[in-house]
Amino acid sequence: EVQVLESGGGLVQPGGSLRLSCEASGFTFSNSAMTWVRQAPGKGLEWVSSISSSGSSSYYADSVKGRFTMSRDNSKNTVYLQMNSLRAEDTAMYYCVKDLGASYWGQGTLVTVSS
Amino acid sequence: DIQMTQSPSAMSASVGDRVTITCRASQDISTNLAWFQQKPGKVPKRLIYAASTLQSGVPSRFSGSGSGTEFTLTISSLQPEDFATYYCLQHHSYPLTFGGGTKVEIK
Repeated sequence: EVQVLESGGGLVQPGGSLRLSCEASGFTFSNSAMTWVRQAPGKGLEWVSSISSSGSSSYYADSVKGRFTMSRDNSKNTVYLQMNSLRAEDTAMYYCVKDLGASYWGQGTLVTVSS
Repeated sequence: DIQMTQSPSAMSASVGDRVTITCRASQDISTNLAWFQQKPGKVPKRLIYAASTLQSGVPSRFSGSGSGTEFTLTISSLQPEDFATYYCLQHHSYPLTFGGGTKVEIK
């Protein structure tokens, strides 16, 4: 059974940093691209970042480019999202998702940016 | 960037109705499109991938069609558990983009 589990969310002040983790199981992790999707309260879905199966390539939405970095450790079946210079508008539920086509979703981890 | 225009943004329908939701891409995305259902407070669930392939376990009343720039999600006979918000996603090229969502409410 495919499982994706996010962690690392919480309350952070504007300008602060947070690192999200996502541990996956139930499939060959090293063969799969991974993606982060977020959803602000009451809003729609927004693609944030994707990383290739090897980790050699990563891609970002303009809204987070230069502030967020996605990485992966295939030996630990884990992807990460390092979030720096956080803003109030980054407040959202962050979902870790298998594949570019978002076949499986984690339960999400909530990030709140507020003073 | 590819824009995904989803319509309608909201609709009211009755149990048993046939419901159609459309996503239009601003450029050709072949069949690199998926459809998702999200209920309040829940995680989105993929219904359709590759524009027309039904995800395992999803009821056959859901179907997808289209290629290129125009895509449709159809619910052949709306059931009470289908009242939710639906999104399309193009994964043809970066940045990946979601449609704005369609909220299907009870009439």
